[in-house]
Amino acid sequence: AQKITQTQPGMFVQEKEAVTLDCTYDTSDPSYGLFWYKQPSSGEMIFLIYQGSYDQQNATEGRYSLNFQKARKSANLVISASQLGDSAMYFCAMREGRYGNKLVFGAGTILRVKS
Amino acid sequence: NAGVTQTPKFRILKIGQSMTLQCTQDMNHNYMYWYRQDPGMGLKLIYYSVGAGITDKGEVPNGYNVSRSTTEDFPLRLELAAPSQTSVYFCASSPTAGELFFGEGSRLTVL
Repeated sequence: AQKITQTQPGMFVQEKEAVTLDCTYDTSDPSYGLFWYKQPSSGEMIFLIYQGSYDQQNATEGRYSLNFQKARKSANLVISASQLGDSAMYFCAMREGRYGNKLVFGAGTILRVKS
Repeated sequence: NAGVTQTPKFRILKIGQSMTLQCTQDMNHNYMYWYRQDPGMGLKLIYYSVGAGITDKGEVPNGYNVSRSTTEDFPLRLELAAPSQTSVYFCASSPTAGELFFGEGSRLTVL
């Protein structure tokens, strides 16, 4: 069964606007962690943000925030004030269990920022 | 601050050849992983290890082998290379829980 689903293969956003990248997940474990990674065209994987299942508040890191809706099993990434350098592939990933030993990735969303 | 180091960065193999992708990390992380990424796709877990001497299969282990004799090293062995193994391979490490730290990737082409 698909553990992580990213339904948007590609997205466009105007520079300086906000954009939301969708991610839904499937797990029966009450303890899990959700991650977002960025992969620019150069290919490296860059960690952006983390949300634990027991965290009371939505995670934020600079212009990145995670809209965590536990009941809906969604963990959408919000990028505020988009920049041209945000153009990249974005992956949502999940680690199950308190000390889960595997990180499972979604298929990714390609974001293109227009000037 | 080396982090996770993968070698080689690029390699072309002929069908049936074998090779080893090397991965070393200097962060004393317990967990190490090998993923493959096909063009335009997400990352698929090949093998992982939770500590020296312990390895386990991921989603797509067929055609690969790994070993973990030390905390630092986690080599990936391709036996009898096939065109379907053309991909970009990423090694990663993490503390017991938390984010993965990735290497720069190794681009493998099998012709």
